[in-house]
Amino acid sequence: KQEVTQIPAALSVPEGENLVLNCSFTDSAIYNLQWFRQDPGKGLTSLLLIQSSQREQTSGRLNASLDKSSGRSTLYIAASQPGDSATYLCAVIREYGNKLVFGAGTILRVKS
Amino acid sequence: GAVVSQHPSRVICKSGTSVKIECRSLDFQATTMFWYRQFPKQSLMLMATSNEGSKATYEQGVEKDKFLINHASLTLSTLTVTSAHPEDSSFYICSAQPGQGETQYFGPGTRLLVL
Repeated sequence: KQEVTQIPAALSVPEGENLVLNCSFTDSAIYNLQWFRQDPGKGLTSLLLIQSSQREQTSGRLNASLDKSSGRSTLYIAASQPGDSATYLCAVIREYGNKLVFGAGTILRVKS
Repeated sequence: GAVVSQHPSRVICKSGTSVKIECRSLDFQATTMFWYRQFPKQSLMLMATSNEGSKATYEQGVEKDKFLINHASLTLSTLTVTSAHPEDSSFYICSAQPGQGETQYFGPGTRLLVL
């Protein structure tokens, strides 16, 4: 059974700091991995999707890496801003599957 | 971009009543829709997968007779919480997938409070 773990559970940083969120998964047979953002009481916004054959994806200040063999992914946020404050969720889809398995998320607070 | 809506966004009901939540893909057809539940400070847990025109597939531990799912068209899926109880209070989120292996697009969620 696939399990997804995210560390840290919560993070508070001053504005402008670069930060790294971690995600690990127990079964390396994944189709892809996604990072999402969730604002309080809201749905999910997809940030980055990494196919299993890829090592990283970049979008603006965000960079996500994937090491499938070791079951790890990181989300790097450069020059953090207060507007980045949200919960960040990591999710994987197993090979030949449709189902997303989510981690518990990292609650990020960027202080101005 | 692909947009998924949910209605209502928030509902409060009395214990024992049934509540219907709609999930619509607004600008694309979704062969598959997913229903998730999220309790406070916890992650999303998949409840069921529905494909248009066929019965939903429920995850282990999810009562199919309590959470009725209908996927009547390629743009609409409904989740009905029957005989709701306070422990059913949660945040329900749907997602829609245009095709096998494609990304899922999430709705804004529905907050259900059962008194």
